[in-house]
Amino acid sequence: EIVMTQSPATLSVSPGETAALSCRASQSVSSNLAWYQQKPGQAPRLLIYSASTRATGIPARFSGSGSGTEFTLTINSLRSEDFAVYYCQQYKNWPPTFGQGTKVEIK
Amino acid sequence: EVQVVESGGGLVQPGRSLRLSCAVSGFTFDDYALTWVRQAPGKGLEWVGFIRDKAHGGTAGYAASVKGRFFISTDDSKNIAYLQMNSLKTEDTAFYYCTRPRGYDYDGVPYWYFDLWGRGTLVTVSS
Repeated sequence: EIVMTQSPATLSVSPGETAALSCRASQSVSSNLAWYQQKPGQAPRLLIYSASTRATGIPARFSGSGSGTEFTLTINSLRSEDFAVYYCQQYKNWPPTFGQGTKVEIK
Repeated sequence: EVQVVESGGGLVQPGRSLRLSCAVSGFTFDDYALTWVRQAPGKGLEWVGFIRDKAHGGTAGYAASVKGRFFISTDDSKNIAYLQMNSLKTEDTAFYYCTRPRGYDYDGVPYWYFDLWGRGTLVTVSS
């Protein structure tokens, strides 16, 4: 199965700044890549699919890029509600696999 | 409101069984597959299994870690999916989320991400 590796494990960012989260696949997943946000005590929420398409209701400050094995989730002008854990997930090969997550914390 | 709601979690001894439920509302149950994803406390996400909608054969698939122990079924009259968990192990301790997959199928293989998640139900396997 495809191994997804996210970096960094923790990212400290000040409100209003930009955060860039990385996700790397052990083999090409084309653009079959999704991003999720999870806040404490809550279920994950879909942010991005097809590497760069925002899900319904997701603000434009969230953007995804990349293809093949290297992907980035960028969060512009971080707001207090954006501090959370973010996961990437590939769906190019079965079974779907997730990265271990990046925690975005307040600096 | 479009939602899935899990229930049935709890404390169970190793080797015993437990059945989780996923109640669907706000969308047509028959039109979608459903999947289960779990998350051990403080850990990452692991896909567990899926069941396809009847139009796509109603077949189920499972992660290697639970194959032969976990079984997914549906009660279409109640819009509920079930996750029957047998021979539970301590490593099955996790929050279990019911999710709605989106994406596509190709040559019988699903290529899915998950656009709707429930709040989860906690299963604790311990003596």
